[in-house]
Amino acid sequence: IAGITQAPTSQILAAGRRMTLRCTQDMRHNAMYWYRQDLGLGLRLIHYSNTAGTTGKGEVPDGYSVSRANTDDFPLTLASAVPSQTSVYFCASSGGSYNEQFFGPGTRLTVL
Amino acid sequence: AQSVTQLGSHVSVSEGALVLLRCNYSSSVPPYLFWYVQYPNQGLQLLLKYTTGATLVKGINGFEAEFKKSETSFHLTKPSAHMSDAAEYFCAVSVNFNKFYFGSGTKLNVKP
Repeated sequence: IAGITQAPTSQILAAGRRMTLRCTQDMRHNAMYWYRQDLGLGLRLIHYSNTAGTTGKGEVPDGYSVSRANTDDFPLTLASAVPSQTSVYFCASSGGSYNEQFFGPGTRLTVL
Repeated sequence: AQSVTQLGSHVSVSEGALVLLRCNYSSSVPPYLFWYVQYPNQGLQLLLKYTTGATLVKGINGFEAEFKKSETSFHLTKPSAHMSDAAEYFCAVSVNFNKFYFGSGTKLNVKP
C-alpha cells in the first residue's frame, strides 16, 4: 500500500441500510479526515481524528459516525442511510508540518 | 472565522493561453494556503502550498500562485495551458491542525 486506500470504490445502497466506508493509510499520519463532495459545494468535512483514540465533528456530521482504534484505519459508518447521503466520500490524512492533506481515491455512494 | 471563495465555477481557456484561477480567503490569523487539483474520478492532489517566506510559490505542472496579504488572495496561474490541465481546482486554507477549509472548486476547460 502506498498512501491512502478506500473501499469500496462505489456502492449502491438501499435507504435504511447500514454501511461502513473503509479508509487505510500507511504514512503513519496522526490526523485523518472524512469529506463528502457534492456538486457546487466543494468538499465538506464530516468528521476528523487528530490522533488514534480521538475523533471530532466537522461541518456535516449528522447521520455519520467514525472510530479511530489505531493510526492506520478510520472507518466511516452510516447507521441508516438516506438518499441525501448520496455523494462521493473522500478520506484524507495529514502528518506534515504545514497541515497539507493527502487524499484517497474516493468512494462513490448512491442511496436509493 | 475562515472561509475560501473561488470566483468562477467554470473557466474556459484555449490551449496555450494564460490560466488564471481566482481564490480569496478570509482568516483571522496568518493562514496556510493550498491549491489542489482533481482529475475526473480521482482524489485531490496537492499542486502547491504557501506556508511562510516567499509569497510566490511554484508547484507541479508549471503552476504557480502568489500570496497577497493585502488583497487576501492566492490566485493560481499558469502561463500556457495544456490540454492535460483540464480538471477541477480547489483552493484551501488551514489555520490549525484540524481545520481545513475548501473553496467550492473551479472547473478548468482547455479548448484545442
